[in-house]
Amino acid sequence: EVQLVESGGGLVQPGGSLRLSCAASGFTFSGYRMHWVRLVPGKGLVWLSRISSDETTTDYADSVRGRFTISRDNAKNTLYLQMNSLTAEDTAVYYCARSNYYFDSWGQGTVVTVSS
Amino acid sequence: DIVMTQSPDSLAVSLGERATINCRSSQSVLNRSNNKDSLVWYQQKPGRPPKVLIYWASTRESGVPDRFSGSGSGTDFTLTINSLQAEDVAVYYCQQYSTTPITFGQGTRLEIK
Repeated sequence: EVQLVESGGGLVQPGGSLRLSCAASGFTFSGYRMHWVRLVPGKGLVWLSRISSDETTTDYADSVRGRFTISRDNAKNTLYLQMNSLTAEDTAVYYCARSNYYFDSWGQGTVVTVSS
Repeated sequence: DIVMTQSPDSLAVSLGERATINCRSSQSVLNRSNNKDSLVWYQQKPGRPPKVLIYWASTRESGVPDRFSGSGSGTDFTLTINSLQAEDVAVYYCQQYSTTPITFGQGTRLEIK
């Protein structure tokens, strides 16, 4: 069974940083492109970033480019999202997702709250 | 960027009736390698991750009830839910996976009338 489990969310002050993790199991992690998506309260789903299966290629949404960094460790079957310079607008539920064209598996999400 | 626009924003339908949700993309989402539209529909319930209902615009995901169907091509797509059940109350999103940035519609909230 495919499982994606996010962790690392929490309460952070504006300007602060967080590192999210997504532990994958039940499939060959190194064979799939992976993504981060967030659910913004009252606004819906927003794609943030993706990384190729071999870690060589990354893409970002304009809203997070330069502040967020996606990475992965295929030996540890883990996806990461380093988030810096956080603002209140980054408050959301953060999901990791596997793609085989579309997002065919999602984690349960981790909540990030940016507030003083 | 491809803008995805759903209509309506919210919808109330009686149990057993049909619900129809529309999604329009600002440009074609056709995948020329397989001649299929790169359009997926998700269902999301509170506190849960999105669940795939339909991909390639009209292919039902395994395990999804056949009352859910997807149609359309080019830039106009439709999700139809026949014989609405109480468990279908959720927010529904369309999403294009043709190009980055990957973009979602704003969501349609479906309620029981």
